[in-house]
Amino acid sequence: SQTIHQWPATLVQPVGSPLSLECTVEGTSNPNLYWYRQAAGRGLQLLFYSVGIGQISSEVPQNLSASRPQDRQFILSSKKLLLSDSGFYLCACTTSGRGEQYFGPGTRLTVT
Amino acid sequence: SQQGEEDPQALSIQEGENATMNCSYKTSINNLQWYRQNSGRGLVHLILIRSNEREKHSGRLRVTLDTSKKSSSLLITASRAADTASYFCATAEGQGFSFIFGKGTRLLVKP
Repeated sequence: SQTIHQWPATLVQPVGSPLSLECTVEGTSNPNLYWYRQAAGRGLQLLFYSVGIGQISSEVPQNLSASRPQDRQFILSSKKLLLSDSGFYLCACTTSGRGEQYFGPGTRLTVT
Repeated sequence: SQQGEEDPQALSIQEGENATMNCSYKTSINNLQWYRQNSGRGLVHLILIRSNEREKHSGRLRVTLDTSKKSSSLLITASRAADTASYFCATAEGQGFSFIFGKGTRLLVKP
């Protein structure tokens, strides 16, 4: 079965600094990949999803970007972090189109 | 935009009781899914119900879907303290591959 790895687990960054969060998937090929952000005590906001290498769909305009350089690697980036970028970032994958999603353990980002 | 909206926002029950939470959505869906999240962790998939299904069971979980009312309910029977978590519904909309999650129901099961 598929396993999703995310790192780092926690991150504290100053405003204006760059960001790179990485997600890798094991146990499957050609997955659809997703980045979500969860504010404290809130639901998940879909940020980006990808159905293949180099194919990125953006759901929310913001100062974040995503890339998929390899089939099972998904990267979330920012050139300059804002305070509002703080949150819990979750990577997920599906192996069957719109079927069940498998989630990674998440990265807790605090922008100070 | 948030499509799935869970109700209630929070629920507190005694161990052994049943817990029911509801989800409403706004547009046509391909399927609706329920997830559980323990505090500070990733989400775990519980059950998926397709738009042409009305009811589905998995262990102590029972999910219903009413597409005419655009709503779903999750019933957890004989709850346990370990069921304490947040529960989210998610909808797969239209022809795309995106999912929309609700804000969740926080369930507390007291021993």
